[in-house]
Amino acid sequence: GENVEQHPSTLSVQEGDSAVIKCTYSDSASNYFPWYKQELGKRPQLIIDIRSNVGEKKDQRIAVTLNKTAKHFSLHITETQPEDSAVYFCAASTGTSYGKLTFGQGTILTVHP
Amino acid sequence: GAVVSQHPSRVICKSGTSVKIECRSLDFQATTMFWYRQFPKQSLMLMATSNEGSKATYEQGVEKDKFLINHASLTLSTLTVTSAHPEDSSFYICSAPGTSPNTGELFFGEGSRLTVL
Repeated sequence: GENVEQHPSTLSVQEGDSAVIKCTYSDSASNYFPWYKQELGKRPQLIIDIRSNVGEKKDQRIAVTLNKTAKHFSLHITETQPEDSAVYFCAASTGTSYGKLTFGQGTILTVHP
Repeated sequence: GAVVSQHPSRVICKSGTSVKIECRSLDFQATTMFWYRQFPKQSLMLMATSNEGSKATYEQGVEKDKFLINHASLTLSTLTVTSAHPEDSSFYICSAPGTSPNTGELFFGEGSRLTVL
């Protein structure tokens, strides 16, 4: 089955800096890669996603890049703000089982004012 | 967007009792729902896929007799933790795919924090 590795496990940055979280996946058939943000005790919320036919996608301060050859994808957050502090999860799906996602281990992002 | 509601949000029970958690899709029909388990500061681990009108599909290592899943209708799936023990204490969260084709987005319930004394 699919295996998703996520790094780093914790990331601490100063407000205004950029943050980068990286994930690798094992199944070359995976074609959908979402990123979720989860605040303490709350449900994960989708913040951005990318499909395998696209190399990069951007939404305001958030961007995701995908390298299919190397089987890795990354989340980039620019101009970080304290409210960006949360746990971020990457995930991958092959699409053969609609909606079935394999999640990475998560990254605890702390943005210091 | 699609809304998934989960109940109860918190439950405390005694060891040996059973607990039922409900997951509802409020404004769309979900033929499939997913149940995840999340330990503190850890990732979401898929437990099983709930299928409306048929048996659930369990992930490797998940005891189907302990974690009973019923998908009674197109808007409701339930997870029953039978004969709960302290090691079953965890955050259980359900999710359902949206209705838009060609997207894999999952919509999550609020989660249920189970504490077994």
